[in-house]
Amino acid sequence: GQNIDQPTEMTATEGAIVQINCTYQTSGFNGLFWYQQHAGEAPTFLSYNVLDGLEEKGRFSSFLSRSKGYSYLLLKELQMKDSASYLCAVKDSNYQLIWGAGTKLIIKP
Amino acid sequence: DVKVTQSSRYLVKRTGEKVFLECVQDMDHENMFWYRQDPGLGLRLIYFSYDVKMKEKGDIPEGYSVSREKKERFSLILESASTNQTSMYLCASSLGQLSGANVLTFGAGSRLTVL
Repeated sequence: GQNIDQPTEMTATEGAIVQINCTYQTSGFNGLFWYQQHAGEAPTFLSYNVLDGLEEKGRFSSFLSRSKGYSYLLLKELQMKDSASYLCAVKDSNYQLIWGAGTKLIIKP
Repeated sequence: DVKVTQSSRYLVKRTGEKVFLECVQDMDHENMFWYRQDPGLGLRLIYFSYDVKMKEKGDIPEGYSVSREKKERFSLILESASTNQTSMYLCASSLGQLSGANVLTFGAGSRLTVL
């Protein structure tokens, strides 16, 4: 079966750095997405990786290793507004998105 | 700046009722999707459409149907609501071929409670 694993919940301190991991086992791979979802709101796109390596976008970076079936989202200089759920999704061989259950990130002052 | 609008944020229905969830996008996107989101689970695809009057089943289509008569509108229909359909329903749209790096734009969600 297809599976996306990410931690259920993480806690970090304002101003610090946090890494949210995502491992996947899917039938084929056509890209990996990270979305942010604040409580009660719509998910919004953060990043897309299809080749191995690091993609940096301001305070957020996303890394992919296809051989290991592994990605992480790195958030630097954490702010209170970063408290949200972070969703990892992989596009499989049929171009359908397989979603992880999401990681709830709690930021403490 | 509204892009994907879901007509109802909260609905309470009784078992056996017919339920319509409406979704409209103003970005001229070809692709539209209906997902349900439940605690502890990833988003699950119910139906999607890549063109007007076209529809494809997703992973959990049982108990649902859809309608896409116009490009901007994609409706989800629960013919006879049941308590296990209590959930958050998310509509999304995207541009271009599904094989590409399509970014989904989501609506704010419709929380349905079936009593």
